[in-house]
Amino acid sequence: QKEVEQDPGPLSVPEGAIVSLNCTYSNSAFQYFMWYRQYSRKGPELLMYTYSSGNKEDGRFTAQVDKSSKYISLFIRDSQPSDSATYLCALDSGGYNKLIFGAGTRLAVHP
Amino acid sequence: GAGVSQSPSNKVTEKGKDVELRCDPISGHTALYWYRQRLGQGLEFLIYFQGNSAPDKSGLPSDRFSAERTGESVSTLTIQRTQQEDSAVYLCASSLGRQLNTEAFFGQGTRLTVV
Repeated sequence: QKEVEQDPGPLSVPEGAIVSLNCTYSNSAFQYFMWYRQYSRKGPELLMYTYSSGNKEDGRFTAQVDKSSKYISLFIRDSQPSDSATYLCALDSGGYNKLIFGAGTRLAVHP
Repeated sequence: GAGVSQSPSNKVTEKGKDVELRCDPISGHTALYWYRQRLGQGLEFLIYFQGNSAPDKSGLPSDRFSAERTGESVSTLTIQRTQQEDSAVYLCASSLGRQLNTEAFFGQGTRLTVV
């Protein structure tokens, strides 16, 4: 079993839709949860960072962590064509441990 | 520097040649990661440095791959006797690596093509 599972998609939605992206994980030691966005032929860029359970909102983006279910989500409201990219979740147990990435979900928002 | 810098940005090499890929992390970041991303694929972990030590090198695909880090700064990923399956984007990331601040920041990657 992989430490982090993420549906690779692709996910295609119309402009203005609400998008839900998810990852599940198996190691309860993970405490730090990140979402990265990667445009084609670019390096991943940090989008959201959350510590422990709860929600965090930044503009149209909301990151949600449910540690009891080992489930993390990224919601995008009012999606735009410029949101078309691959979204990767990343988890860390803190201290001196490596960062674990999901496979990434490819999102296409069409006008 | 302001961000993670990788060089070269693109590298075309002949099969069988050795290549060196360089990563300059953000100043003060103790943790450094190398990942490989094949076309249309997710990130494949290669190696993780904490300071100059590599507590986890489990992702290196073969003994043709090696990496080092010096001065808790620059890291070099070396691929010997390159093969066509080594063609990929090699991404480097760094983070403070301490509790409560583990966000990792990526460079733009080195696109390696083995012909």
